[in-house]
Amino acid sequence: ETGVTQTPRHLVMGMTNKKSLKCEQHLGHNAMYWYKQSAKKPLELMFVYNFKEQTENNSVPSRFSPECPNSSHLFLHLHTLQPEDSALYLCASSPPGLLSLSSYNEQFFGPGTRLTVL
Amino acid sequence: TQLLEQSPQFLSIQEGENLTVYCNSSSVFSSLQWYRQEPGEGPVLLVTVVTGGEVKKLKRLTFQFGDARKDSSLHITAAQPGDTGLYLCVAQETSGSRLTFGEGTQLTVNP
Repeated sequence: ETGVTQTPRHLVMGMTNKKSLKCEQHLGHNAMYWYKQSAKKPLELMFVYNFKEQTENNSVPSRFSPECPNSSHLFLHLHTLQPEDSALYLCASSPPGLLSLSSYNEQFFGPGTRLTVL
Repeated sequence: TQLLEQSPQFLSIQEGENLTVYCNSSSVFSSLQWYRQEPGEGPVLLVTVVTGGEVKKLKRLTFQFGDARKDSSLHITAAQPGDTGLYLCVAQETSGSRLTFGEGTQLTVNP
């Protein structure tokens, strides 16, 4: 238990569906992240939010839309996904300072949402 | 994004054996972290190394950061089934805050 929760844990959706993934942390962290984890590939950083502001978007297709209403909650809205988007989607948070040059703060990961796109 | 290579990708051993996992790159990093991810869970931080040549021990796990800060190793002594999981190395580039992830080493320790 890292203090980061994700819902749902499993999601199966068709290509025309709209769904949302939710991430929540009450660790007092100000940075939150979405990652995609596919088999035999490195973790792919998708989005970074720092103090509710999006600071990084790693060329993620527009069918993935993040939302960060406050420092404790992060959403990933999904729309018209493709089968190749099937993966484990991990949310993480970290204390302030990760984005500075000399910091190496720990990231606290949630358990992930296993997404299957049919 | 600079490539961070982990080897081996898969490792299946018997309980009580020793093993070493490697994380290599051509880039110099300001810090490197090792995470372990168990099935159905997210990665959990094991250690952070920041100084070239640094060695850190965590019970049966020994972590080393290369002198040039381009590589790292994780050695497990007398592996136990509870060590089973995906071991990830994550490095922070010296040129900025970007993180680089290895592909991971899937370790299975059989009773």
